[in-house]
Amino acid sequence: NAGVTQTPKFQVLKTGQSMTLQCAQDMNHNSMYWYRQDPGMGLRLIYYSASEGTTDKGEVPNGYNVSRLNKREFSLRLESAAPSQTSVYFCASSEPGEGSEKLFFGSGTQLSVL
Amino acid sequence: QQQVKQSPQSLIVQKGGISIINCAYENTAFDYFPWYQQFPGKGPALLIAIRPDVSEKKEGRFTISFNKSAKQFSLHIMDSQPGDSATYFCAAHISGTYKYIFGTGTRLKVLA
Repeated sequence: NAGVTQTPKFQVLKTGQSMTLQCAQDMNHNSMYWYRQDPGMGLRLIYYSASEGTTDKGEVPNGYNVSRLNKREFSLRLESAAPSQTSVYFCASSEPGEGSEKLFFGSGTQLSVL
Repeated sequence: QQQVKQSPQSLIVQKGGISIINCAYENTAFDYFPWYQQFPGKGPALLIAIRPDVSEKKEGRFTISFNKSAKQFSLHIMDSQPGDSATYFCAAHISGTYKYIFGTGTRLKVLA
């Protein structure tokens, strides 16, 4: 039981390049999320998918697209990377819990855009 | 205003001491308040959480105190250990949505 698996762990891009961050979960969760973590700003929601076949924007969706490929997989795409997208990206999935959805995070992708 | 303000930014505590991290919010539409623990190179992991109808929740050495009228909640780590050294995030869930608002994090270092 691996939980939430993200690939790659590290990536360096040049401005204007594109790439896709992959995420898969093996916990049979319906909901999946992409967050970015920046120093002094906590975690900010980029996009989420409440269930297979649906996606919605979070707080900071500009410059990103997502695909919920199936129940297990939720990918994040940067079409034309910008230095402002240098960050650590976390994928998460959730299950209903006491009071609300309980989030399970992957180990992150550290992205640098030069 | 959907913000959660967390303090302090960093904290150094002696082994065996009490670590206290505070969070404050303004939005009354929050209905669930978790704390996450994050070690370097890892993703955040749920540590403990509380609902607003409870004033305190304790799990082992970790306690959340919740003051609904003041819109504040805090994490207390009793008998702090070097293994507790990590970054801690408070969060608040927006009722009726899938969204959480996270605090900016507190880097805790427990000295041996």
